[in-house]
Amino acid sequence: AQSVTQPDIHITVSEGASLELRCNYSYGATPYLFWYVQSPGQGLQLLLKYFSGDTLVQGIKGFEAEFKRSQSSFNLRKPSVHWSDAAEYFCAVGLAGGYSTLTFGKGTMLLVSP
Amino acid sequence: GAGVSQSPRYKVAKRGQDVALRCDPISGHVSLFWYQQALGQGPEFLTYFQNEAQLDKSGLPSDRFFAERPEGSVSTLKIQRTQQEDSAVYLCASSQGNSGNTIYFGEGSWLTVV
Repeated sequence: AQSVTQPDIHITVSEGASLELRCNYSYGATPYLFWYVQSPGQGLQLLLKYFSGDTLVQGIKGFEAEFKRSQSSFNLRKPSVHWSDAAEYFCAVGLAGGYSTLTFGKGTMLLVSP
Repeated sequence: GAGVSQSPRYKVAKRGQDVALRCDPISGHVSLFWYQQALGQGPEFLTYFQNEAQLDKSGLPSDRFFAERPEGSVSTLKIQRTQQEDSAVYLCASSQGNSGNTIYFGEGSWLTVV
């Protein structure tokens, strides 16, 4: 069965510093990979997705992620964090082809310090 | 509509009570998903509809959970004889259909069973 691991439950980053959130997946087939962000009391907003092609994908709000098949990873990065980025971030994997239910990680809570 | 709309946003139910949660997907979206998100966890898949057909209900935790989408648009998730472990956020999502399409999430219905 597919699984997604986000090893960091909480991460604190100073405003203006760079950010990397880790995501590892286990999937038997060609995966589709996603990062979502969830602010308190809100639904999930898609930051970016990888389906195929260039392994470095750009998303909204200045985020990017790199797919590394050899490491089964899809880490999220941002060069300079803003206070408004404080939220919970979820990595998810879906199956290529057909309809795709998503399997989510448990999330990483990002705290931004002044 | 502009986004996925869910109601009620917040529901407090007494144990044993039946509840119904409504989801209005984005107009024209063929695929509709329900997810359950327990506190501190990532969303977990419950069920999937393609138009009015429920193609996958493998994630429904018990026969107390029932979902329908009779006209291929609005969907209702019903929970009978609620129990405390049913307390969670119930997220509805929709997409245009194929696995390559973005899945859009609503803000969720927060259910607390007391």
